[in-house]
Amino acid sequence: DVKVTQSSRYLVKRTGEKVFLECVQDMDHENMFWYRQDPGLGLRLIYFSYDVKMKEKGDIPEGYSVSREKKERFSLILESASTNQTSMYLCASSLNRGLNYGYTFGSGTRLTVV
Amino acid sequence: TQLLEQSPQFLSIQEGENLTVYCNSSSVFSSLQWYRQEPGEGPVLLVTVVTGGEVKKLKRLTFQFGDARKDSSLHITAAQPGDTGLYLCAGPNNAGNMLTFGGGTRLMVKP
Repeated sequence: DVKVTQSSRYLVKRTGEKVFLECVQDMDHENMFWYRQDPGLGLRLIYFSYDVKMKEKGDIPEGYSVSREKKERFSLILESASTNQTSMYLCASSLNRGLNYGYTFGSGTRLTVV
Repeated sequence: TQLLEQSPQFLSIQEGENLTVYCNSSSVFSSLQWYRQEPGEGPVLLVTVVTGGEVKKLKRLTFQFGDARKDSSLHITAAQPGDTGLYLCAGPNNAGNMLTFGGGTRLMVKP
């Protein structure tokens, strides 16, 4: 069963900490995405990647960075966590030029910054 | 910018009722997809509609793509508590390299 795996379901971090959210897919997908999901704001794209070592900013990249050293792994980094980054974080992957096949999402990481 | 607007935002119904939710845009989409997200989980793809006027059925769920490919609807017959969740529609952006998501319809089906 193909899937996208996010390393943590729940995470509590302190303000100012550096936070790493890991995402691994086993489908050999070229494209990977990081979203955050907040009530009333829907899914907002943070960063995406079409290839190894390649990254593009999404709609809300401020305060975040990403790393894609291997095709199957896409990491989201909160350089200095703040309380307004408390959210549900969703990783997704897709085939390149295969949007009709849709995205495969991970189960999400619910991050609380205190 | 292509926007997808979903209505209603919230819907609470009793088990056994029928319902329809909508996904509308002023832009033409090459395809539209519907996802369901259960509480605490990521969205899961339900269906992709590609042809204007297309109707697809998935058990008690019926999906329709508008003739002009600007809108889509999801009809659920005899809703069950297991249908509870957030329903998202999505379509490819103009560049065709990622999906644009609607704001979602949050459905609660009470036993």
